Amino acid sequence: AQKVTQAQTEISVVEKEDVTLDCVYETRDTTYYLFWYKQPPSGELVFLIRRNSFDEQNEISGRYSWNFQKSTSSFNFTITASQVVDSAVYFCALRPPGNQFYFGTGTSLTVIP
Amino acid sequence: SQTIHQWPATLVQPVGSPLSLECTVEGTSNPNLYWYRQAAGRGLQLLFYSVGIGQISSEVPQNLSASRPQDRQFILSSKKLLLSDSGFYLCAWSVGYYNEQFFGPGTRLTVL
Repeated sequence: AQKVTQAQTEISVVEKEDVTLDCVYETRDTTYYLFWYKQPPSGELVFLIRRNSFDEQNEISGRYSWNFQKSTSSFNFTITASQVVDSAVYFCALRPPGNQFYFGTGTSLTVIP
Repeated sequence: SQTIHQWPATLVQPVGSPLSLECTVEGTSNPNLYWYRQAAGRGLQLLFYSVGIGQISSEVPQNLSASRPQDRQFILSSKKLLLSDSGFYLCAWSVGYYNEQFFGPGTRLTVL
């Protein structure tokens, strides 16, 4: 079965704090891709990152970083020095072989000024 | 560059009325196309996806249907809307075997 779990439904942090969004996935496939998307209040989902199952190197892009650990089936997303503009719903997704994407239920992040 | 359009942006319809939402993609060929629905405060529910003209896969049995009359056009329809059809409808496209999806701006549908 393919499944993505984002256990954190809502998170609130004060501006400039660091915050980590958790993502745990389930798949029996050895080849797959993982993704993170941001959904701001406007509604459109914005693609943030793609990771393949054979690359466990962490990635950093500005204030964003991603930690992929195959041993724990996790693909966590950290925002450093959060800003009000980071307030959004964040979705983690899994794409095993095929055409379907499996999304988590999302984590709503509120950054308080 | 690739662009995805959805219209209308918002729609208010009475129960029992028909529905037609349209999605078009520019700047790419042979995309996989997807329709998702997002209820208020909830996650994404995959409704339909298509890998080519006339090829539709349905994920959730309901009163909605989808069609793909052209390579880059994807239409979501209903003959009679239900209250439970209210939500935010997102169209998305992807190409290749493992690439990411790109989403349109969405349509907010309210059924009264």
